[in-house]
Amino acid sequence: NAGVTQTPKFQVLKTGQSMTLQCAQDMNHNSMYWYRQDPGMGLRLIYYSASEGTTDKGEVPNGYNVSRLNKREFSLRLESAAPSQTSVYFCASIYRGLGNTIYFGEGSWLTVV
Amino acid sequence: AQSVTQLDSQVPVFEEAPVELRCNYSSSVSVYLFWYVQYPNQGLQLLLKYLSGSTLVKGINGFEAEFNKSQTSFHLRKPSVHISDTAEYFCAVRSQGGSEKLVFGKGTKLTVNP
Repeated sequence: NAGVTQTPKFQVLKTGQSMTLQCAQDMNHNSMYWYRQDPGMGLRLIYYSASEGTTDKGEVPNGYNVSRLNKREFSLRLESAAPSQTSVYFCASIYRGLGNTIYFGEGSWLTVV
Repeated sequence: AQSVTQLDSQVPVFEEAPVELRCNYSSSVSVYLFWYVQYPNQGLQLLLKYLSGSTLVKGINGFEAEFNKSQTSFHLRKPSVHISDTAEYFCAVRSQGGSEKLVFGKGTKLTVNP
């Protein structure tokens, strides 16, 4: 049982390049989330998906797009990376039932130069 | 819309002293509440959560938190801290039903000194 798997773990991008962060969970969870973590800012919600085929903006969606093509996978795309997007990105998932345990991926360290 | 305010960005304490980390939230609907801990260069680990029932919630590592609906607070406490409790602590709120939005506070860095 792998839980929440994020790839890649580390990435260096040049300004203007595009890339996709992949997230997959094998727990049959309904809701999935993408966060970025910056010093002193905590975890800020970028986008979330309450179910397959639906996505909603979070607190800081500008510069990002997401895709929830199936229940298992939720990807985050940077179309034209900027230095301000240098951050640690976390994917999370949660089962919409009693318990409400949130499972996090291990994080993806992204540097935009 | 939901929001979470952690009132202290940094809390220094001496070993074996009690500590309280404060968290206030704002929401137009009923919520679930969580506290997470993050040790340096690691992911987030669940300390405790309030879903319903008793307002006093006990978690791992001797931590507890009390849900106060009238004051919209969910403060985290520990009666005696250890050096190993040095970490960053995050309060989070999620709406019950509806949007499923999950929002975190900015974190409180707890430093336990000998």
